[in-house]
Amino acid sequence: GESVGLHLPTLSVQEGDNSIINCAYSNSASDYFIWYKQESGKGPQFIIDIRSNMDKRQGQRVTVLLNKTVKHLSLQIAATQPGDSAVYFCAEGRGFQKLVFGTGTRLLVSP
Amino acid sequence: GAVVSQHPSRVICKSGTSVKIECRSLDFQATTMFWYRQFPKQSLMLMATSNEGSKATYEQGVEKDKFLINHASLTLSTLTVTSAHPEDSSFYICSAGRDRTGDTQYFGPGTRLTVL
Repeated sequence: GESVGLHLPTLSVQEGDNSIINCAYSNSASDYFIWYKQESGKGPQFIIDIRSNMDKRQGQRVTVLLNKTVKHLSLQIAATQPGDSAVYFCAEGRGFQKLVFGTGTRLLVSP
Repeated sequence: GAVVSQHPSRVICKSGTSVKIECRSLDFQATTMFWYRQFPKQSLMLMATSNEGSKATYEQGVEKDKFLINHASLTLSTLTVTSAHPEDSSFYICSAGRDRTGDTQYFGPGTRLTVL
């Protein structure tokens, strides 16, 4: 069936390193993708989004890359900080605002 | 902008009782709100889509009579867990979309429900 999933459940990096979190999706009809950050006991926080007519979008310290050929989405975090430690979810937009979330990747940043 | 609040943040109730959770968009009008459930160390699972002034649309496997949703205004949606049981214990999160053309959903802080 259709799904949105992640390759790595946990990613450990050193402070100052660049982090890359990956996500695979299966529905080629999806046209909107979002990355959320969720800290323990809190709701998801919007990080960055991208539409299917783009392949790259940059924000502050974050970049999202979309490869529609292989149905792959990634989130790059530059100069990772301890405050970036959280679970990161990709979500796929299907239909009117309905989102399907991936399984999540835990990012652990060591000082 | 785009702040979504939830109340209460935590609730503990006895089995068999009903619990109401409120979701408010504080600085924008939300024609659509969404209710998710998240079990520990798992992803968010969409329960239902709440449309202002109309009946909610429930996802497959979600009992509409158990999880009552009311979206009475453009800034408020409520989820009532009726006759709660321990297996309903979970983290309930709402989100709101600004308008019908926008895709970004803004999430509330979540409500931790514990049913004893």
